[in-house]
Amino acid sequence: GQQVMQIPQYQHVQEGEDFTTYCNSSTTLSNIQWYKQRPGGHPVFLIQLVKSGEVKKQKRLTFQFGEAKKNSSLHITATQTTDVGTYFCAHGSSNTGKLIFGQGTTLQVKP
Amino acid sequence: NAGVTQTPKFRILKIGQSMTLQCTQDMNHNYMYWYRQDPGMGLKLIYYSVGAGITDKGEVPNGYNVSRSTTEDFPLRLELAAPSQTSVYFCASSSLRDGYTFGSGTRLTVV
Repeated sequence: GQQVMQIPQYQHVQEGEDFTTYCNSSTTLSNIQWYKQRPGGHPVFLIQLVKSGEVKKQKRLTFQFGEAKKNSSLHITATQTTDVGTYFCAHGSSNTGKLIFGQGTTLQVKP
Repeated sequence: NAGVTQTPKFRILKIGQSMTLQCTQDMNHNYMYWYRQDPGMGLKLIYYSVGAGITDKGEVPNGYNVSRSTTEDFPLRLELAAPSQTSVYFCASSSLRDGYTFGSGTRLTVV
């Protein structure tokens, strides 16, 4: 099946710094979803990207889907302590909805 | 709407015991999923269902069973619990139009 590799595994930033996590696949993806999981919590859906080159913004979060649909990124501008958690990318099957998750990037923000 | 409800939240099992993790959703979603998440790791798909009466294996089905007699309920059965099944179990549902809605999880320890 299609695998998605996510880097980095961990990131420690000072509050106010930017943060980016990357999701890569060796094959073309029909879509990519992003989730956030707070420590001790459950994953929460953030966004889905389906179009080549698509860029979507949610306040300080910017999501991109690569032109070749083999990679995606999540960028957070001016991190806050509320951004702490693990961010997962996932690729979904269009007919079963099965999601294959990346390993996640855990973000720590120092106040 | 309650969304996806999982019970119990915590459970300690002895090796060889069995238990059922309950999952119910009130969003009338056809698609439901069981994932496990080991400490510091991503999510692995155990079983999924695309509608009542239909179930299929995911990446890590061994040691588990599921049933889907109604749209709302998707219980996960552990037979002969083993220490390797110590994990956090998440149930999720989807309409395929948006991302998953996850339950709050069941933290299972097998001793």
